[in-house]
Amino acid sequence: GAGVSQSPSNKVTEKGKDVELRCDPISGHTALYWYRQRLGQGLEFLIYFQGNSAPDKSGLPSDRFSAERTGESVSTLTIQRTQQEDSAVYLCASSFSGSSSYNEQFFGPGTRLTVL
Amino acid sequence: KNQVEQSPQSLIILEGKNCTLQCNYTVSPFSNLRWYKQDTGRGPVSLTIMTFSENTKSNGRYTATLDADTKQSSLHITASQLSDSASYICVVSAFKAAGNKLTFGGGTRVLVKP
Repeated sequence: GAGVSQSPSNKVTEKGKDVELRCDPISGHTALYWYRQRLGQGLEFLIYFQGNSAPDKSGLPSDRFSAERTGESVSTLTIQRTQQEDSAVYLCASSFSGSSSYNEQFFGPGTRLTVL
Repeated sequence: KNQVEQSPQSLIILEGKNCTLQCNYTVSPFSNLRWYKQDTGRGPVSLTIMTFSENTKSNGRYTATLDADTKQSSLHITASQLSDSASYICVVSAFKAAGNKLTFGGGTRVLVKP
């Protein structure tokens, strides 16, 4: 595809359930990022993958959050035992390389998660 | 602590009018500053990137300025159109920082009314 895609676009779940969000980055992009955006708030960094290096997980808010990436392709963000405060838009971005901040991050449309 | 503050939080302007958004940062040492536009329900899209040596950069009706001495940037929208209604996000990077070390501002929400 031409851009970053994410699925599902919307997810409504009950408190305590697990959810899995998917991101397909732009082909050839070695860097992939997950962000959280609460309603009316700025972007919060969650996790960063660069090639085959160990991911930077410093932004994950709790051990209920985890993410995986298969090689330099698709990534999944998993939230276990969801809480109402997890309700937000989860944005994925990819860039040609994450080694330099000059490289533009291209964002997907996001997954809107609502925890009832 | 690296911080990026944007003002105003929101503004309403009439179609055809100009407006200016502000971004103040404390990121040091400075490397680059990027303005993103985020339409409702979409991901952010880059408008401009500016480095230390650049004072102004334009992208159509969007003009960004940078004063690295005062650590301020502005985004000027000329002859606003309804499609300019969006959130505008200022993102700053420190020298030699990687892509996972960006500092995001909270954004300015712009509403253009006919």
